[in-house]
Amino acid sequence: EIVMTQSPATLSVSPGERATLSCRASQSVSSNLAWYQQKPGQAPRLLIYGASTRATGIPARFSGSGSGTEFTLTISSLQSEDFAVYYCQQYNNWPPPYTFGQGTKLEIK
Amino acid sequence: QVQLQESGPGLVKPSQTLSLTCTVSGGSISSGSYYWSWIRQPAGKGLEWIGRIYTSGSTNYNPSLKSRVTISVDTSKNQFSLKLSSVTAADTAVYYCAAEGGGPFDYWGQGTLVTVSS
Repeated sequence: EIVMTQSPATLSVSPGERATLSCRASQSVSSNLAWYQQKPGQAPRLLIYGASTRATGIPARFSGSGSGTEFTLTISSLQSEDFAVYYCQQYNNWPPPYTFGQGTKLEIK
Repeated sequence: QVQLQESGPGLVKPSQTLSLTCTVSGGSISSGSYYWSWIRQPAGKGLEWIGRIYTSGSTNYNPSLKSRVTISVDTSKNQFSLKLSSVTAADTAVYYCAAEGGGPFDYWGQGTLVTVSS
């Protein structure tokens, strides 16, 4: 099973600033990596797939980068609605299981 | 746009079988565009992929749960279902159904809390 490790567990950032979240895979997942945003009481929402492609309707301030084992989600200028938990997910396994990171909580500083 | 809605009992007794159904709207479950998945999340914890089914009936399960999981599809009702047997308190979680477009989960249900308790 591919283990996904996210860092940091909690990130405190002020509105308007940049946030950088990391995700590391225990083995190469190529670019088969997605990012999700989850707000309290809600289902996760797909933000990024293919490591760097924004999903439909996702603002341009969200960007993803990386390949292989190291990935980054950057939010360029934090808005109040961006404070949430973010998960990465690999889908390189065939057949699955797909695995998720443990999440990074992005909180207001 | 595809919409998904989970339904089923919110309370299950230990050792019994958890049964949930996901109703798909806004598209046909037989379209072949998606794999239909179940994912769960214990309170305050991360996400665990349980398994998926394709319109053909082909399934894939998480090896950690494979011996207890069955996912089935009813194309006539545009639904797919999850059965998890021999449940324990460790199976208490919010259960989500989701549409997977070949890796990423594009659409999610709102989730349903299932508590395992006597």
